[in-house]
Amino acid sequence: DADVTQTPRNRITKTGKRIMLECSQTKGHDRMYWYRQDPGLGLQLIYYSFDVKDINKGEISDGYSVSRQAQAKFSLSLESAIPNQTALYFCATSVGGSPGDTQYFGPGTRLTVL
Amino acid sequence: GQQLNQSPQSMFIQEGEDVSMNCTSSSIFNTWLWYKQEPGEGPVLLIALYKAGELTSNGRLTAQFGITRKDSFLNISASIPSDVGIYFCAGLRNTGGFKTIFGAGTRLFVKA
Repeated sequence: DADVTQTPRNRITKTGKRIMLECSQTKGHDRMYWYRQDPGLGLQLIYYSFDVKDINKGEISDGYSVSRQAQAKFSLSLESAIPNQTALYFCATSVGGSPGDTQYFGPGTRLTVL
Repeated sequence: GQQLNQSPQSMFIQEGEDVSMNCTSSSIFNTWLWYKQEPGEGPVLLIALYKAGELTSNGRLTAQFGITRKDSFLNISASIPSDVGIYFCAGLRNTGGFKTIFGAGTRLFVKA
């Protein structure tokens, strides 16, 4: 079984709709992240959470919100989806601490906003 | 915002050739990571580097953490068709605020 799972894997929605993307992990990691990937660009950090009570904005948080329901669950919401939010979305987890903080990624959710 | 400059953007090589790609930044990082992404999947970690000057291998892959802490390279020796994919570098910093930045990726094509 995959350590980091994302649902749904694909979603097509219309402008103005509220969308929730979900991420679950069985790695026991405290830290979780949401990224978006656009063609030709690297991954851009949307939000991250270092534990259940910690939520932080990343580089491109406008138009998004998150909820850390439990150590293992981190969901991303688009309150009112717009076409330029069409992208591939990835969840990642990491254990935290030193010396490094390697992130492990889920399989991604392809979101299309019409 | 801060960026990682990853080059080249794409490479077309013959099977058996060696490959080199690199990432540079104007900022210092205390961790460099290299990932590979295949179509329809999330990035998979290849190599993690935690110390300036560190040279680490994973099979035919070798990566180095630059001594200035502002750059890293990844080499693939004797490429094979299954090396095809997009390779991403990522710089992480946990001091002075958390920061993680990804390069735009190097798309590798291997001709058999």
